[in-house]
This record gives sequence, structure tokens and C-alpha cells, in this order.
Amino acid sequence: DSGVTQTPKHLITATGQRVTLRCSPRSGDLSVYWYQQSLDQGLQFLIQYYNGEERAKGNILERFSAQQFPDLHSELNLSSLELGDSALYFCASSPGIGGGGYTFGSGTRLTVV
Amino acid sequence: EDQVTQSPEALRLQEGESSSLNCSYTVSGLRGLFWYRQDPGKGPEFLFTLYSAGEEKEKERLKATLTKKESFLHITAPKPEDSATYLCALANAGGTSYGKLTFGQGTILTVHP
Repeated sequence: DSGVTQTPKHLITATGQRVTLRCSPRSGDLSVYWYQQSLDQGLQFLIQYYNGEERAKGNILERFSAQQFPDLHSELNLSSLELGDSALYFCASSPGIGGGGYTFGSGTRLTVV
Repeated sequence: EDQVTQSPEALRLQEGESSSLNCSYTVSGLRGLFWYRQDPGKGPEFLFTLYSAGEEKEKERLKATLTKKESFLHITAPKPEDSATYLCALANAGGTSYGKLTFGQGTILTVHP
């Protein structure tokens, strides 16, 4: 157990639908990062939050949004889902804005049918 | 643009047969070079962070080294439990994406008994 908790572990949904992925960071960590992992693209950075504020943005689609709440948990919202959104979505956390080894969760496997 | 290229894509070793994995990178200013291990269906597990050329770090059978253009992960006398995908990632020192990690595609290591 890495200390980063992601729910749900698996999600199957239809095209056009909206889903929410949840992440609780490791105790004491203020930064949360979201990554998408697909077979052809590898691990791609989506977005980072630090203590409730957006700090960095990657190639995140406009259909995707995220937020970090006062208790530091984060949610990634994916809407108007397409088949190509099927992937593993990982959350990671770190104590500060950047720094050493980011701790990853076990991921949410999203399948869009 | 930051880039990370890992080679080989896949490596098969016999137990006890030492080898090295390569990570070539381009970045405007390196904040850190990270190595992760990822088992199938799980999140990446942090191994090492290297910050400057000439730095080396070791952990059990693994040793990571860094030059200005490359990093190597040396595996000495590997065991079957070392089988995994090894990921290299870099963090840029500047810009607005301070916390972002750019990952390579990974090297799939298989160690046969």
C-alpha cells in the first residue's frame, strides 16, 4: 500500500457518459498529480494541484476537469467519454510543489464501450 | 520540448545475467531524473532520483547513474522478481510545469530462472 488511495479500481461506462475518479493523497502530501496511461501513449501528465490550487497543466482535454478539495483529496471528472479515453488513470502525490519521488496510487482502469 | 527515450523496449535476461537499461533525455534545465518500477496493473513504484551529472544511487541489485544526456539503470545478478517495466522520467527546473514528470515509454524486463 503506497498510501495514495484511488477509487474506483475499475469503471466500465458507455460513450457520451461522465465519470468521476477520486484520489486521496498520502498523509502530509499537499500536491496531487493526475496521469493517463495508455498502451500507445505511455504515462502522460494531465494536471497538478497544490494545496487546493491548480499549479501545472499538461495535455488535458477540455472534456476533462479536476479539483482538489480542502481535505486535499482530488477528483478527476471525465465527460462526453469516447472510446479513446479508455486507459489507466493514476494519481500521485508529493509533499511539496515538486521534489523527490512522487508516490503513485494503484490506478483506476476506465473502459469506455 | 522535454523528451525521454528508453532502450531497449524489451530485455530478456537469465537469472544472474547482469545488464543495463538506457534512458536518453533532452531538457532545457534538469531538476531531477527519476526511475520507477511498474508491475502489470499497478502504479509506478519509486526507485531513485538523480539530480546532477556524476551522481549514482544504489538499492539492492539496482544502480542508477546520470550523465548530462543519459541515465543508466544497471541490474546486477537479477532475479525473476526483478521482472517489471522500468520507467525513466524527468522534471524540468523551469517554466510553469515545475511539478510535471515527463516519462519515457519504459523497458520491459523479463528475468528467466
